[in-house]
Amino acid sequence: TQLLEQSPQFLSIQEGENLTVYCNSSSVFSSLQWYRQEPGEGPVLLVTVVTGGEVKKLKRLTFQFGDARKDSSLHITAAQPGDTGLYLCAGSRRSNDYKLSFGAGTTVTVRA
Amino acid sequence: DAGVIQSPRHEVTEMGQEVTLRCKPISGHNSLFWYRQTMMRGLELLIYFNNNVPIDDSGMPEDRFSAKMPNASFSTLKIQPSEPRDSAVYFCASSFGAGGNQPQHFGDGTRLSIL
Repeated sequence: TQLLEQSPQFLSIQEGENLTVYCNSSSVFSSLQWYRQEPGEGPVLLVTVVTGGEVKKLKRLTFQFGDARKDSSLHITAAQPGDTGLYLCAGSRRSNDYKLSFGAGTTVTVRA
Repeated sequence: DAGVIQSPRHEVTEMGQEVTLRCKPISGHNSLFWYRQTMMRGLELLIYFNNNVPIDDSGMPEDRFSAKMPNASFSTLKIQPSEPRDSAVYFCASSFGAGGNQPQHFGDGTRLSIL
C-alpha cells in the first residue's frame, strides 16, 4: 500500500488544455516534493512545498499543499507536448527525515 | 555541472551472474541513495549513505544485494547471484544534507534485465 496515492494514474490531453493531478494521504507530511520523470531519465525535482496552504508557481505549473499537509495538487495551464512525463509526488514525514515516500505517479501525455 | 553519473546504462545478463552497478554522486553532496523502480512497486529506497556510511539498508530486499561507498565520489550496488525478479531500473541519487526539504538529484538509471 502506497503512503501517497496519486490520481489519476494516466492522463492524456490535447495541447492547450489544462490538467490537474492529485497526491493524497491519510498521513501528515512535513514537506512534499514534485518530480517529473521523462522516459529513459531519472526524476527531476520541480518544487518543494513545506507550509500548509502554500501555493507555488513555476511558469505554467501551479503547486498547492493542502492546509492539513496531507495532500497536494499540481495544475498545468495550457499544457504543451514538453509537459509529457511521469509526475511523482514524494513526502517526508519529518523535516530531518532522509526517507522520501514516493507515490506511484501520474503518466501525463500531451498530444500536439 | 556534472550531475549524478551511473553506469552502465543498460545491463542484460543471465540468471546467477553477478551484477555491479556504479554511481558517481554530485561533488560536495554528502548523502547518497539507491532506489529501484518497477511498474508494480514504483520507486523504492534500497539503501541510504551519509558521509559514506550506510545509515539505512532496510530496503535491501535480500542478502544477495550489497552496497558500498568506499569514498565520497563512488558507490556500488552489487547483486550476487542475480535472479529474473531483480529486473528493474536502478537509480542512484545524491543530495546535500538529507532532510525532507533537500532536493535529491537522480542519475539516469541502470536498466537491468536478468534472463
